[in-house]
Amino acid sequence: GQNIDQPTEMTATEGAIVQINCTYQTSGFNGLFWYQQHAGEAPTFLSYNVLDGLEEKGRFSSFLSRSKGYSYLLLKELQMKDSASYLCAVRDRMDSSYKLIFGSGTRLLVRP
Amino acid sequence: GAVVSQHPSWVICKSGTSVKIECRSLDFQATTMFWYRQFPKQSLMLMATSNEGSKATYEQGVEKDKFLINHASLTLSTLTVTSAHPEDSSFYICSARDFSGSLGTPTDTQYFGPGTRLTVL
Repeated sequence: GQNIDQPTEMTATEGAIVQINCTYQTSGFNGLFWYQQHAGEAPTFLSYNVLDGLEEKGRFSSFLSRSKGYSYLLLKELQMKDSASYLCAVRDRMDSSYKLIFGSGTRLLVRP
Repeated sequence: GAVVSQHPSWVICKSGTSVKIECRSLDFQATTMFWYRQFPKQSLMLMATSNEGSKATYEQGVEKDKFLINHASLTLSTLTVTSAHPEDSSFYICSARDFSGSLGTPTDTQYFGPGTRLTVL
């Protein structure tokens, strides 16, 4: 089976750095995605990791350790508009449909 | 700009009626689209995988006769909620898989439509 865990909620201050963790268990790993979702809107793509290491894209970075079944999303220089839910999603190599299994999401609140 | 559109963005209907939701990929061809349902403050729950030219694959617990999916072309999938009831009220989101990576993001990235909020009275 598959299991993805994320913290339910996090709070951080504007201008700070926050790290959102995601742990997963799959029968065959084939990539991990991070999406951002504002309330009432559809998710938007943030990052993708399939190999171990850090992927950096502006203020956002994502890290993956396949041996540990672990990823994190790092947000730097937080802005108020970063208040949103962050979804970790894993693709299973054993599934030919390329479907993603989503974690429950982490609601991030950025305060002034 | 948006690469996946969804229509309508919201709909209110009476119990017992059917509602059709369209999902279109605008900048790429999508042989595979996905339909999700999301309840307030919860994550996305995959309902079914829509395959162009073949039958949809439904997740466990999703009634295929109630949620009819048609993927008639490489850019259009439709979800019809038949005989809708108040418990079907939810946020329905589609996504389309860009298998070619033509949009500059990793191959197989899923792009989401803006969602359809369904309220059944």
